[in-house]
Amino acid sequence: DAGVIQSPRHEVTEMGQEVTLRCKPISGHNSLFWYRQTMMRGLELLIYFNNNVPIDDSGMPEDRFSAKMPNASFSTLKIQPSEPRDSAVYFCASSYTPMSSYEQYFGPGTRLTVT
Amino acid sequence: AQSVSQHNHHVILSEAASLELGCNYSYGGTVNLFWYVQYPGQHLQLLLKYFSGDPLVKGIKGFEAEFIKSKFSFNLRKPSVQWSDTAEYFCAVTRNSGNTPLVFGKGTRLSVIA
Repeated sequence: DAGVIQSPRHEVTEMGQEVTLRCKPISGHNSLFWYRQTMMRGLELLIYFNNNVPIDDSGMPEDRFSAKMPNASFSTLKIQPSEPRDSAVYFCASSYTPMSSYEQYFGPGTRLTVT
Repeated sequence: AQSVSQHNHHVILSEAASLELGCNYSYGGTVNLFWYVQYPGQHLQLLLKYFSGDPLVKGIKGFEAEFIKSKFSFNLRKPSVQWSDTAEYFCAVTRNSGNTPLVFGKGTRLSVIA
């Protein structure tokens, strides 16, 4: 299995531009999580989906952030317009609900720099 | 709301020294507990996890953790660290009520020197 795949791995953009981060969960997993890692705040949940349905988006910073999961094998996190304070590493993770372990598998992350 | 506290921000140890990283959580219900490791430039990997049963959990690479319910703690230990253990370590908790998100501690950076 290829694991959770994220793209791009690095993104550098100017303030005001739209940024789209992509995630492909592990095949067969039915839960997907977006986390953000910063020096100041550590790892924080942004949003998560169960069976492609958003369950909790209370961690999304503001309306500039949106996430979609059009099918079980793909999710996007969009920031529009981007701001320097959005600079962080964004991780996607997936898991399989019926498993008792609820282990989440993380992707390699996307390092976003907004100048 | 759940929260996780990791007491040490940065720990520096010599090779072969013993390691203990503290982790406390605040949640009154049943929880699942995890330790993740992030090696420099890499993604998060699971070290070990606790769901039920024996409170002493053994993970990969010689790590273990003990769940002490009365203290709301889940400390990570290793009897003898190696230079390759240099990484950031995250304690995390999730409610034992379905597939819910992880709540992470701020992390502890471990530097092992020769």
